[in-house]
Amino acid sequence: AAGVIQSPRHLIKEKRETATLKCYPIPRHDTVYWYQQGPGQDPQFLISFYEKMQSDKGSIPDRFSAQQFSDYHSELNMSSLELGDSALYFCASSSGLAGGYEQYFGPGTRLTVT
Amino acid sequence: DQQVKQNSPSLSVQEGRISILNCDYTNSMFDYFLWYKKYPAEGPTFLISISSIKDKNEDGRFTVFLNKSAKHLSLHIVPSQPGDSAVYFCAASSPSGTYKYIFGTGTRLKVLA
Repeated sequence: AAGVIQSPRHLIKEKRETATLKCYPIPRHDTVYWYQQGPGQDPQFLISFYEKMQSDKGSIPDRFSAQQFSDYHSELNMSSLELGDSALYFCASSSGLAGGYEQYFGPGTRLTVT
Repeated sequence: DQQVKQNSPSLSVQEGRISILNCDYTNSMFDYFLWYKKYPAEGPTFLISISSIKDKNEDGRFTVFLNKSAKHLSLHIVPSQPGDSAVYFCAASSPSGTYKYIFGTGTRLKVLA
């Protein structure tokens, strides 16, 4: 069965650069969630989208922005990168907000900021 | 302030025995709970869920128990297999309209052959 696809899987950037992470949800899933997992930490919710509209917002820095496109894929844009942004970024998808109790995760994008 | 806690960072169990992973939470508004399994370099994989209207949910070798009065849930794996070796996260969600899960810190389970 098709799963959540994230690209790239690994990304190395320097401080103050920008990065764009992409997430392709499971087919027919219309809700996307972004989580950040720092080293040795639990995943922290960043932001979610339902039907191309932001549905909820967590601890996402102002330097980050995200959107969901008409094909339901989502992109997380990160600017003025800092060393502390180095983390594993997970995207999850679900079928509708009501179906969000079962979120299916992608393999993650490991971002390293040097 | 950690609202979801897994106090055991690691657990070792002999193959064939029962693995019990514990999770405590502080927010009584949480009404849906998940357990995820995570292998290195992979995303979390959904294992089993439980709604706050239940106290037990079973799926094959996996059973989750919920004790609302104690704000405690546990995952039982019987019998444990070497392939179960992974990091297990519990996650909780409150009825805010969107399911933004709050994760515990994870327990690394090692099943010894």
